[in-house]
Amino acid sequence: AQRVTQPEKLLSVFKGAPVELKCNYSYSGSPELFWYVQYSRQRLQLLLRHISRESIKGFTADLNKGETSFHLKKPFAQEEDSAMYYCALSTNFGNEKLTFGTGTRLTIIP
Amino acid sequence: ETGVTQSPTHLIKTRGQQVTLRCSSQSGHNTVSWYQQALGQGPQFIFQYYREEENGRGNFPPRFSGLQFPNYSSELNVNALELDDSALYLCASSAMEYNSPLHFGNGTRLTVT
Repeated sequence: AQRVTQPEKLLSVFKGAPVELKCNYSYSGSPELFWYVQYSRQRLQLLLRHISRESIKGFTADLNKGETSFHLKKPFAQEEDSAMYYCALSTNFGNEKLTFGTGTRLTIIP
Repeated sequence: ETGVTQSPTHLIKTRGQQVTLRCSSQSGHNTVSWYQQALGQGPQFIFQYYREEENGRGNFPPRFSGLQFPNYSSELNVNALELDDSALYLCASSAMEYNSPLHFGNGTRLTVT
């Protein structure tokens, strides 16, 4: 069975500093990886997915199959980045039945 | 564009009772998925419905059941409630096509006493 691990429950970063939220997964096949974000008082929403290779709100994530990781990065943190971030995995391309990690709460210190 | 709406927002039930949670999918979406999120955990996949049929199920017992209606709205039913069923229940809709992301509702907070 697949599994997603986010080792940090809490992460605090100063404004303007680089951000890296870690995500590791276990799955024997080729997964599709996602980052979802939940801002304060808002619903869970998709931030980015690895197949799109997009940069959303300055965030990027690269799928490293050798290390089975999908870390989320941003070079310069902004206060509005404070939120709960979930890494998720799907084994069904185009029909997501997601396996989520436990999430990392990111706090940006002004 | 109407987003995903869930009702009720909060619910308190007693162990052994039954509960029904409701979800209206976003317009244009034909697939509904349900997730359970316990405190301090990530959402856990319960099941998915597509064209009124169950289209995949996570590791949940049969007392968790669902329905999808012709208008693509959905219900989650839980029988014989247990204390561990206390959680936030999230509904997410999507279109059954490649690259269609999940759109989540705000959830129903269920407390079982």
